[in-house]
Amino acid sequence: DQQVKQNSPSLSVQEGRISILNCDYTNSMFDYFLWYKKYPAEGPTFLISISSIKDKNEDGRFTVFLNKSAKHLSLHIVPSQPGDSAVYFCAASDNNAGNMLTFGGGTRLMVKP
Amino acid sequence: EAGVTQFPSHSVIEKGQTVTLRCDPISGHDNLYWYRRVMGKEIKFLLHFVKESKQDESGMPNNRFLAERTGGTYSTLKVQPAELEDSGVYFCASSQWGGKADTQYFGPGTRLTVL
Repeated sequence: DQQVKQNSPSLSVQEGRISILNCDYTNSMFDYFLWYKKYPAEGPTFLISISSIKDKNEDGRFTVFLNKSAKHLSLHIVPSQPGDSAVYFCAASDNNAGNMLTFGGGTRLMVKP
Repeated sequence: EAGVTQFPSHSVIEKGQTVTLRCDPISGHDNLYWYRRVMGKEIKFLLHFVKESKQDESGMPNNRFLAERTGGTYSTLKVQPAELEDSGVYFCASSQWGGKADTQYFGPGTRLTVL
């Protein structure tokens, strides 16, 4: 029973355009969400996070949107750069039930020059 | 500041053997976590230490897995005896205060192959 799902295994975008990565969750108790980026043979690198009391958080080219009623979050990368090509993982936690992160399966983003 | 480090980066063992993985968290981080990713699936939680105490070990698959964090610094994860299904990448992460909105920082992982 996967509580966090990333339904698109891959996404291809042209350099300079917007990349939109999506994530859905089922557990309404999740109150903190994170996006990690992962390059081959490396560990996940923290990118951006959002608390459930917010609906948007922005950091440079990266913006995360949270729609609690739809149990959906998305990561926008604008403009996309070839160096953004990596696997992106969505993760969630219920801070009242410990600190464990529940991850989605990942989306491979390819930004073409 | 050094990040989370893990050793070895890769381990190949035969079924029935024992393997010990090591994780050194970011200095000053009391919280240490183990996760693993099996066969390209999602990354799954194994356990959480606060200093030397096990806070949550609900993700440990069975009693062949033993995690320790003596002295509250580095941690080891021992698999004994290893089975084929234990193959995967084992990630360690650490965080500073472990409270609400705490960010976990991951190491590069140890790729374990059980033949």
